[in-house]
Amino acid sequence: QSVLTQAPSASGTPGQRVTISCSGGSSNIGTNTVDWYHQSPGTAPKLLIYTDNQRPSGVPDRFSGSKSASSASLAISGLQSEDEAVYFCATWDDSLKTWVFGGGTKLTVL
Amino acid sequence: EVQLVESGGGLVQPGRSLRLSCAASGFTFDDYALHWVRQTPGKGLEWVSGISWNSGDTGYADSVEGRFTISRDSAKNSLYLHMNSLRPEDTALYYCVKGRNWNYAIDPFDYWGQGTLVTVSS
Repeated sequence: QSVLTQAPSASGTPGQRVTISCSGGSSNIGTNTVDWYHQSPGTAPKLLIYTDNQRPSGVPDRFSGSKSASSASLAISGLQSEDEAVYFCATWDDSLKTWVFGGGTKLTVL
Repeated sequence: EVQLVESGGGLVQPGRSLRLSCAASGFTFDDYALHWVRQTPGKGLEWVSGISWNSGDTGYADSVEGRFTISRDSAKNSLYLHMNSLRPEDTALYYCVKGRNWNYAIDPFDYWGQGTLVTVSS
């Protein structure tokens, strides 16, 4: 049972815009910034969005992040087949004194 | 290019010990926090431990507190995880992860190694 809650799956067609949500509480998302990672099968996770809405160098601007209260969202516009992956959210939890992750959302491009 | 190469995983019996290593390159080792994060098919990603740039601060998940010890060696550009009293639930792929800055409790994970598999079973 993950501290951060994500839907297990999401889907979209090429070119579509999809949103993946991450829900937490006052001690984690409500207080600290959220990061997003994506993971393709057989590979390690990669940083996609950090500090709620910042993109590392090399990440296309089709990917964007936002946060409101104790929830965060990752939006992917202009969906492409290579976007198929599992997407995880993560943040620091002030009560647990640990990093916490969402369970991951598997994105399928139909 | 940042590279993190883990080693030391394997099959170990419950109650035994194991030491994981991570050889880091491609960045100024002393400037960044480092972490161990593990992944299992059933439990997803779990942060195991983190250490600040100068080893001054360390943190552990409750599930490993008192059994695992994280350390770093700047002379060897290496990160370690000493794992004692291993349990079957410690079975996972263990990733060495670089922090984006010096503080393990704030800064996100910006580079991940490919992982080393630890299997705890009799």
